[in-house]
Amino acid sequence: ETGVTQSPTHLIKTRGQQVTLRCSSQSGHNTVSWYQQALGQGPQFIFQYYREEENGRGNFPPRFSGLQFPNYSSELNVNALELDDSALYLCASIERGGTDTQYFGPGTRLTVL
Amino acid sequence: QQQVKQSPQSLIVQKGGIPIINCAYENTAFDYFPWYQQFPGKGPALLIAIRPDVSEKKEGRFTISFNKSAKQFSLHIMDSQPGDSATYFCAASGGYQKVTFGTGTKLQVIP
Repeated sequence: ETGVTQSPTHLIKTRGQQVTLRCSSQSGHNTVSWYQQALGQGPQFIFQYYREEENGRGNFPPRFSGLQFPNYSSELNVNALELDDSALYLCASIERGGTDTQYFGPGTRLTVL
Repeated sequence: QQQVKQSPQSLIVQKGGIPIINCAYENTAFDYFPWYQQFPGKGPALLIAIRPDVSEKKEGRFTISFNKSAKQFSLHIMDSQPGDSATYFCAASGGYQKVTFGTGTKLQVIP
């Protein structure tokens, strides 16, 4: 059984640019959530995808968007990057109807200059 | 409001000590309470989890105590080791819904 994987590991962008982060969910997991973790803080929920549709969203602006594909993998897109978007972006997958446990990937460290 | 309050912010114990981390929640719709361990530059890893119908759960050196009426739960780490030095997050969720994290406790275990 493979775990949650994310790419890239690190990314450096400049203010105003756009970025796409990718996540492959754990085998058999049909729901993917994205979280933003600023330095020294706990992860904050961005949104969740189930059956290729957004299924819940946290307090993040519309320039944060996502996709889920038929194989349950997912993308997080952030437009018009701001300095405060610098953070560790975490993807978590869960199997609905299972243990309710969300398994996290290693994250993508995004730095906005 | 879906908050999870966690204390202390940081904790230093000697090897063999028993660090205790406390959390409190407000939303009674939460029905799943996991604890995550995170090392620098890594994603959170599930340590142990409990549901509100159980007052205590042990897995190895890790124990969760849960007080449903007080809406509080805590993590005890028995015989702590330097390798346990990490940031610990309590969390809460309702089924498959989003996980609400506490603010984290940075634990340092001194040899």
